[in-house]
Amino acid sequence: DAKTTQPTSMDCAEGRAANLPCNHSTISGNEYVYWYRQIHSQGPQYIIHGLKNNETNEMASLIITEDRKSSTLILPHATLRDTAVYYCIVGGANSKLTFGKGITLSVRP
Amino acid sequence: GAVVSQHPSWVICKSGTSVKIECRSLDFQATTMFWYRQFPKQSLMLMATSNEGSKATYEQGVEKDKFLINHASLTLSTLTVTSAHPEDSSFYICSARVTATTYEQYFGPGTRLTVT
Repeated sequence: DAKTTQPTSMDCAEGRAANLPCNHSTISGNEYVYWYRQIHSQGPQYIIHGLKNNETNEMASLIITEDRKSSTLILPHATLRDTAVYYCIVGGANSKLTFGKGITLSVRP
Repeated sequence: GAVVSQHPSWVICKSGTSVKIECRSLDFQATTMFWYRQFPKQSLMLMATSNEGSKATYEQGVEKDKFLINHASLTLSTLTVTSAHPEDSSFYICSARVTATTYEQYFGPGTRLTVT
């Protein structure tokens, strides 16, 4: 049973911001939102995680709604190397990660 | 920092033979390592969780006698696919968590196993 729902795919132009949505309406109070991405034929890469507050690091920003039922991963200036499958995962601090189908982001020149 | 390596990156073996895949955390000690399997055009499926010095915990449907996991040190876990068959051909990926209180997992580059 999926804890998150994501669109199947989206694309954006190189240099523009990529906003990747995720719904997690059944998230519980102690569960975090994690984002990972997988470039073709490679292992996944950790991007960011958050609990309630918005988070930013050198890779991306994570915006979590006040009710925590949805979030958006923002890549501020997408490049061709950001083309990948992005996974939004919900889980506890020490829990195992359950990967869904993710969203395929295609960055076009 | 937080680099995880896997060896080999790809392997071809004959049906009925066993294959060992190594997963190493290069610049940190990993209390917990995870093994995943990914079939073409599908998502990652967790196979098992291993903690250093204890037996691995396998996910439902994963045969522990077929997929032997050893986590003998804080920097090394191995997955042995015993008596491999063509249906075991897949992309095997390991990940490591730094400590029990950190949230992110760091993944290896994966091992492509082809059983002929």
